[in-house]
Amino acid sequence: AQSVTQPDIHITVSEGASLELRCNYSYGATPYLFWYVQSPGQGLQLLLKYFSGDTLVQGIKGFEAEFKRSQSSFNLRKPSVHWSDAAEYFCAVGLDTGTASKLTFGTGTRLQVTL
Amino acid sequence: GAVVSQHPSWVICKSGTSVKIECRSLDFQATTMFWYRQFPKQSLMLMATSNEGSKATYEQGVEKDKFLINHASLTLSTLTVTSAHPEDSSFYICSATGTGKNNEQFFGPGTRLTVL
Repeated sequence: AQSVTQPDIHITVSEGASLELRCNYSYGATPYLFWYVQSPGQGLQLLLKYFSGDTLVQGIKGFEAEFKRSQSSFNLRKPSVHWSDAAEYFCAVGLDTGTASKLTFGTGTRLQVTL
Repeated sequence: GAVVSQHPSWVICKSGTSVKIECRSLDFQATTMFWYRQFPKQSLMLMATSNEGSKATYEQGVEKDKFLINHASLTLSTLTVTSAHPEDSSFYICSATGTGKNNEQFFGPGTRLTVL
């Protein structure tokens, strides 16, 4: 069975600083990988996804992530964090079930941004 | 875009009563909907997958008689928590995907259920 590990429960960064959120996955085949952001009162929003091809994927809001098969990782990065980026971030791995991809989520990383 | 709504956003009920949560896709036809449960400071756990017009597929450990799921139309799925108890208190989130959505799931804002 697939699994996702987000080692950092809580991260605090200063506004303008760079950010890296870690994600490691366990899956027997090539995974479908996702990063979502969850803000209070709002649904999870997809930041970016990796299905195949270029291992460095660009997402919305200036985020990017790099798929490293050798390390089973899919870390999320942003060069300069804004105060509005404070939220909960979830990494997820999906199975291709044909019509939709069942997702297994990590436990999330809460990002706090200090001014 | 693709918008998914949930109603209600929060509900408080007495132990032993049943609660229905609605999940609607507002601007697309959702052939598949998912229901998740999220405990405080924890991840989302998939409860069940429902395809329009067919019975839901429940994940291991989820009681199908406890959590009734109906996906009667391409825009609406409902989750009914029957005979709710305090341990059912949680944050319930639905997501939906459909034709032309490239397997991407669109999430609702969630429903906070508190059982007294």
